[in-house]
Amino acid sequence: KNEVEQSPQNLTAQEGEFITINCSYSVGISALHWLQQHPGGGIVSLFMLSSGKKKHGRLIATINIQEKHSSLHITASHPRDSAVYICAVRFSGGGADGLTFGKGTHLIIQP
Amino acid sequence: DARVTQTPRHKVTEMGQEVTMRCQPILGHNTVFWYRQTMMQGLELLAYFRNRAPLDDSGMPKDRFSAEMPDATLATLKIQPSEPRDSAVYFCASYEGHLRSEAFFGQGTRLTVV
Repeated sequence: KNEVEQSPQNLTAQEGEFITINCSYSVGISALHWLQQHPGGGIVSLFMLSSGKKKHGRLIATINIQEKHSSLHITASHPRDSAVYICAVRFSGGGADGLTFGKGTHLIIQP
Repeated sequence: DARVTQTPRHKVTEMGQEVTMRCQPILGHNTVFWYRQTMMQGLELLAYFRNRAPLDDSGMPKDRFSAEMPDATLATLKIQPSEPRDSAVYFCASYEGHLRSEAFFGQGTRLTVV
């Protein structure tokens, strides 16, 4: 079964802390997405990765294809980073293009 | 500023009524998805289209849900008759159609069936 597991499920940290959210998946993928969703809000794509590492501002995403694992890091976290972060993958093979989503990580950054 | 547009943003309806949700994908994106988000299940794929043709609707309850793409600028998701368990946020997303292109999501339609 094609699965996506995220950890932790919930994370509360103090402003300024370095944050890491992890994602692992069960079989080969063609792409992995990190998404952000604020309470009551829409979904914003932060990164799309198929290999290596990407950086945008204080956000860094890495992927290890051999380990079937990705991490999202937030440096110098800020209360506005409080949101749900969702890992989603497009599994390779089978012709299916839809994303399979993790359950999300609820992040709260306290001032 | 290219974006996926969904209407309505919120819908409250009585059980048994028909509900139609609409999505305008980003111009030039040939692949359109419908996803549903609930507290219990998270985000799940309902159906998707490529070049307006339905490719996969296995995630959709066929007896009451239908998805169509009458033209390249409009995708619809219809529920008839609606039930309280259909209450969720429904997201539309579009992308260019190759496996490593980025997906863009609409703001969602929050549906409440009472």
